[in-house]
Amino acid sequence: GAVVSQHPSWVICKSGTSVKIECRSLDFQATTMFWYRQFPKQSLMLMATSNEGSKATYEQGVEKDKFLINHASLTLSTLTVTSAHPEDSSFYICRGAGRTSTDTQYFGPGTRLTVL
Amino acid sequence: SQQGEEDPQALSIQEGENATMNCSYKTSINNLQWYRQNSGRGLVHLILIRSNEREKHSGRLRVTLDTSKKSSSLLITASRAADTASYFCATASNAGNMLTFGGGTRLMVKP
Repeated sequence: GAVVSQHPSWVICKSGTSVKIECRSLDFQATTMFWYRQFPKQSLMLMATSNEGSKATYEQGVEKDKFLINHASLTLSTLTVTSAHPEDSSFYICRGAGRTSTDTQYFGPGTRLTVL
Repeated sequence: SQQGEEDPQALSIQEGENATMNCSYKTSINNLQWYRQNSGRGLVHLILIRSNEREKHSGRLRVTLDTSKKSSSLLITASRAADTASYFCATASNAGNMLTFGGGTRLMVKP
């Protein structure tokens, strides 16, 4: 099946740092990327949806200036957490979908962000 | 936003017993999927059931779907300690890409 990778898998940073998380589709063209956030012992919450070459669509309550999403190519999307604070500590997961994808959902392995 | 509600939120059983988790949703769906997530790890896709299907099996997993009640269940038979994980249902409202997750069930299987 298709593979989606994320980098880094775990990042620890000081408050105020901006952190970039990469999500790559390794063997398919991801026309759409979804970014989720998961707090401990909670479910995944959709943050934003991005289509290649377009601006991301953010879910209600998600600050677009705080969480910058770039989806400049069909194989790479990035999420930048700007000026991270401890409350941004979470597990961030991306999911890629191609033009012809219907059922199968390709999740990345997730990135754990810890902000001190 | 979360569409699905799962119950129980937590389940603790002995190895060898069966585990049943339920998921309810609110809007019409194209398909419903179940995922497993080990602590601190990514999601593992378990099974997908379409809206026109009522039951599906995969190994020790059995999934049912009742669209009239807008609910689904995941049964794990003969559970093993390695089944300890969180289980999430996710609904897809069309044949495209949007997935909405339920709150999850934390399953603990004691050896």
